[in-house]
Amino acid sequence: DSGVTQTPKHLITATGQRVTLRCSPRSGDLSVYWYQQSLDQGLQFLIQYYNGEERAKGNILERFSAQQFPDLHSELNLSSLELGDSALYFCASSLSGQGTSGNTIYFGEGSWLTVV
Amino acid sequence: LAKTTQPISMDSYEGQEVNITCSHNNIATNDYITWYQQFPSQGPRFIIQGYKTKVTNEVASLFIPADRKSSTLSLPRVSLSDTAVYYCLVGDDGSARQLTFGSGTQLTVLP
Repeated sequence: DSGVTQTPKHLITATGQRVTLRCSPRSGDLSVYWYQQSLDQGLQFLIQYYNGEERAKGNILERFSAQQFPDLHSELNLSSLELGDSALYFCASSLSGQGTSGNTIYFGEGSWLTVV
Repeated sequence: LAKTTQPISMDSYEGQEVNITCSHNNIATNDYITWYQQFPSQGPRFIIQGYKTKVTNEVASLFIPADRKSSTLSLPRVSLSDTAVYYCLVGDDGSARQLTFGSGTQLTVLP
């Protein structure tokens, strides 16, 4: 158990809908990361927040948005969903915002999103 | 920005030592090298991290030569449960790309 909690574990929704994925980082971690993993794309970095502020942005679509709240939990909002958004979405956390440099990133077990 | 190159796949037998090498020719002075393990439908799990020479923990060793242009993850006496994808990450340039996983190495341990 990494200490990173993600909900829901599974979600099935229709095209055009909007969903929110939630992440609680490990106790004491200030940085939260979101990743998307689909069968044909591998692990794609979406976005990172550090202590409530956006720190780095990867291949995140404009239909997706995220935020980190004062209690450090984070939400990833996915809107106007398409079939291709079906994937496993991982949240990760770390103590600092320095990415991989001397800094361990811990991953949650993911949220399975199926768009039908 | 350090790009990494790893073998796509490797096969091994139970009880053998496995070495997975990652090339990172453009590694920068401040970059650390980190390895993760991922099982199907699970989040990547931190294995080991190093900056230079050799690092060892309870599950693996990481060998980094003096020029730091490559690194080798060594798994002693693998078992069937070590079958997974192994990712090498390098970077500390403050950009999003340091957090990007490559294709990884699919290690298959055979009985």
